[in-house]
Amino acid sequence: AQKITQTQPGMFVQEKEAVTLDCTYDTSDQSYGLFWYKQPSSGEMIFLIYQGSYDEQNATEGRYSLNFQKARKSANLVISASQLGDSAMYFCAMREGYGGATNKLIFGTGTLLAVQP
Amino acid sequence: DTGVSQNPRHKITKRGQNVTFRCDPISEHNRLYWYRQTLGQGPEFLTYFQNEAQLEKSRLLSDRFSAERPKGSFSTLEIQRTEQGDSAMYLCASRANTGVSTEAFFGQGTRLTVV
Repeated sequence: AQKITQTQPGMFVQEKEAVTLDCTYDTSDQSYGLFWYKQPSSGEMIFLIYQGSYDEQNATEGRYSLNFQKARKSANLVISASQLGDSAMYFCAMREGYGGATNKLIFGTGTLLAVQP
Repeated sequence: DTGVSQNPRHKITKRGQNVTFRCDPISEHNRLYWYRQTLGQGPEFLTYFQNEAQLEKSRLLSDRFSAERPKGSFSTLEIQRTEQGDSAMYLCASRANTGVSTEAFFGQGTRLTVV
């Protein structure tokens, strides 16, 4: 069965420092996508970054990068130069399969990040 | 605002009452998902629509839950005879394309409290 594991319930980071949020996944599919979403206290899920299972290079989006290690089935999110506004819950998620499937997202339990001034 | 819109944002209801939530997806998105998120957990899939067809329902969606998407536009999620265990955030998401690469856009959710 597909599963996402986030082992860090909470993390602290100093403003302007980098932080890594861990994510491991389990799937038997060859084609899958990995996503990170940010959820502020207001509740909406904000898409941050995507990595496809066939992508050879790690994804980057501004201050966000994804450290994708396929053999280890890990997809860690790195946030560089943390800002106070980065304080939020962060969810790792996986989408299975090819077109025609539901392509629903499977989420981990999240990591609460607190950025300290 | 062309994002996903959910109404109401908050709903408090007495146990046993029926509630209905609405989701307006991004207009060109043909795929619509409902998720439920309880405290301290990630969202869990409830059901999926492609246009007006409901193509998948989770085991989490008991007989008291029903979802519709008439005409493939907005969607409603109804919970009948609410129970305290139904208290959660109900999130709606939409996306346009098939395959694994396109992200889902989420609404701000409806937070349900059953007292």
